[in-house]
Amino acid sequence: AQSVTQPDIHITVSEGASLELRCNYSYGATPYLFWYVQSPGQGLQLLLKYFSGDTLVQGIKGFEAEFKRSQSSFNLRKPSVHWSDAAEYFCAVSSNFGNEKLTFGTGTRLTIIP
Amino acid sequence: DVKVTQSSRYLVKRTGEKVFLECVQDMDHENMFWYRQDPGLGLRLIYFSYDVKMKEKGDIPEGYSVSREKKERFSLILESASTNQTSMYLCASTSGLTFYGYTFGSGTRLTVV
Repeated sequence: AQSVTQPDIHITVSEGASLELRCNYSYGATPYLFWYVQSPGQGLQLLLKYFSGDTLVQGIKGFEAEFKRSQSSFNLRKPSVHWSDAAEYFCAVSSNFGNEKLTFGTGTRLTIIP
Repeated sequence: DVKVTQSSRYLVKRTGEKVFLECVQDMDHENMFWYRQDPGLGLRLIYFSYDVKMKEKGDIPEGYSVSREKKERFSLILESASTNQTSMYLCASTSGLTFYGYTFGSGTRLTVV
């Protein structure tokens, strides 16, 4: 069965600093990978996704993620965070195309300090 | 703007009540999902549906049922609410033809007292 691990429960970074959120997945074949963001009291918004091809994917709000098959990782990065990036971030994996059931990680809460 | 709409943002119900959570999408999506979200546990899949009148159990279906009589509407039913069902409930949908990821509703925060 597929699974996702987000090892960092809570991360605090200064505004303007760089950010990397970690995500490791477990799946036997090539996965479909996603990052979602959830602002307080809101639903989840898709930041970016990886299906195939270029292993560095660009998303909205200046985020990017890199798929590394050898490390079973899909880490999310941003070169310079803004106060509005404070939110909870979820990594998710989907298995075979045609069965679009997503398995989510437990999330990483991001706090931005001035 | 495409939407997934959950009928209530906040609900407070009593133990033993039958509770209906409604979700409507306007994107003509085939696939719809119900998750619950709890701190430290992330999102866990309760039920999903690939078509009208179809339903499949997710990872934590106990204590829940679902109904999908129309393509755009997917209802989650708590047959007899219990305090351990206090949670945030998120509905999502996606196309069955082209998978771009889920579109989520804003969530329903249910408190069972």
